[in-house]
Amino acid sequence: GEDVEQSLFLSVREGDSSVINCTYTDSSSTYLYWYKQEPGAGLQLLTYIFSNMDMKQDQRLTVLLNKKDKHLSLRIADTQTGDSAIYFCAERSGYALNFGKGTSLLVTP
Amino acid sequence: DAGVIQSPRHEVTEMGQEVTLRCKPISGHDYLFWYRQTMMRGLELLIYFNNNVPIDDSGMPEDRFSAKMPNASFSTLKIQPSEPRDSAVYFCASRPRQGAPGNTIYFGEGSWLTVV
Repeated sequence: GEDVEQSLFLSVREGDSSVINCTYTDSSSTYLYWYKQEPGAGLQLLTYIFSNMDMKQDQRLTVLLNKKDKHLSLRIADTQTGDSAIYFCAERSGYALNFGKGTSLLVTP
Repeated sequence: DAGVIQSPRHEVTEMGQEVTLRCKPISGHDYLFWYRQTMMRGLELLIYFNNNVPIDDSGMPEDRFSAKMPNASFSTLKIQPSEPRDSAVYFCASRPRQGAPGNTIYFGEGSWLTVV
């Protein structure tokens, strides 16, 4: 099947920006998503981007999409300790979503 | 909005026992999904329903797993007999009809299953 790839781990200092990267393989994906999972909790939708967009900004979150390279990134500005979590990239796959394995973000004081 | 509701939140059971996980999707959503999350394999789609009808069950591991959706507000995922390798977090998710903005899938809090 199609694979969504993410780096497994990222560590940043509080107040810095975090950039989480993702590559996907299904060029027909119409939407791409970022979800956040805190320990012991479910997946919370952070944001999504339509495939005909290059960028989407939502408060501290900026999503960049390079459709040619099938590369998606999530930038978190002014990262806080509360942002420590696992972040999942997902692409539309038919009616369901195909997820990456997640990037664990650790924010240190 | 109550969100997707799953029960039980945590279950510990012995190998060989039957396990039933339950899900109430968001009212008005036409699609319901069951995902499984493990450290090794990440999030895997097991099965999804559209208007209570199973559409794609190719992700169901084997015959020990079965899922039903008797009505628009309830679904079950059953494992019989359970095995230790079934230990995972099982997520139910739902999505509004095709064409809704973003076609976003909303997840429940998960059922954390341990089979000993």
